Amino acid sequence: EIVMTQSPATLSVSPGERATLSCRASQSVSSNLAWYQQKPGQAPRLLIYGASTRATGIPARFSGSGSGTEFTLTISSLQSEDFAVYYCQQYNNWPPYSFGQGTKLEIK
Amino acid sequence: QMQLVESGGGVVQPGGSLRLSCAASGFTVSSYGMHWVRQAPGKGLEWVAFIRDDGSDKYYADSVKARFTISRDNSKKTVYLQMNSLRPEDTALYYCAKVFTGAFDYWGQGTLVTVSS
Repeated sequence: EIVMTQSPATLSVSPGERATLSCRASQSVSSNLAWYQQKPGQAPRLLIYGASTRATGIPARFSGSGSGTEFTLTISSLQSEDFAVYYCQQYNNWPPYSFGQGTKLEIK
Repeated sequence: QMQLVESGGGVVQPGGSLRLSCAASGFTVSSYGMHWVRQAPGKGLEWVAFIRDDGSDKYYADSVKARFTISRDNSKKTVYLQMNSLRPEDTALYYCAKVFTGAFDYWGQGTLVTVSS
């Protein structure tokens, strides 16, 4: 089973600044990596798939990079609506489809 | 627009059963694999089960294998999760999600399952 590890657990950033979230896989997942955003009381929303492709309707300030075991989600200029929990997920070796434990992005 | 609506959650005693439903609209459900994902209160996301577009293959997390069964009725545009031998640790918000190139691109709002005596 592939274990996904996200860091940091909590990230405090000021609006307008850049946020960088990390995700590491216990073995290579190629580029089969997705990022999701979840706000309180809402379902997760797909942001990035294929490690770097933005999903439909996702603003350009969200970007994903990486391959193999190391991945990054970057939010270039944080807006108030971006403060949420972010999850990475691999879909290369399944079952199971494993999620990271999440990074909470909070306002500094 | 694409929509997924879960139903069937509720409070059940340990050892009991529930059947969740996920009604799809706005897309050709018979063309896509579907997942169930759960989220325990205050916790992260846990994948539960997957069914291929035609129902030919099904996969489960070890934590639910032999207790849960995923199925679908494409004529009714609905995916199901039959949950038997429920345990307190199955308490969670259960989401259904649609597959897109491997990722989960649309999610319902979830249905809450509480297992408690």
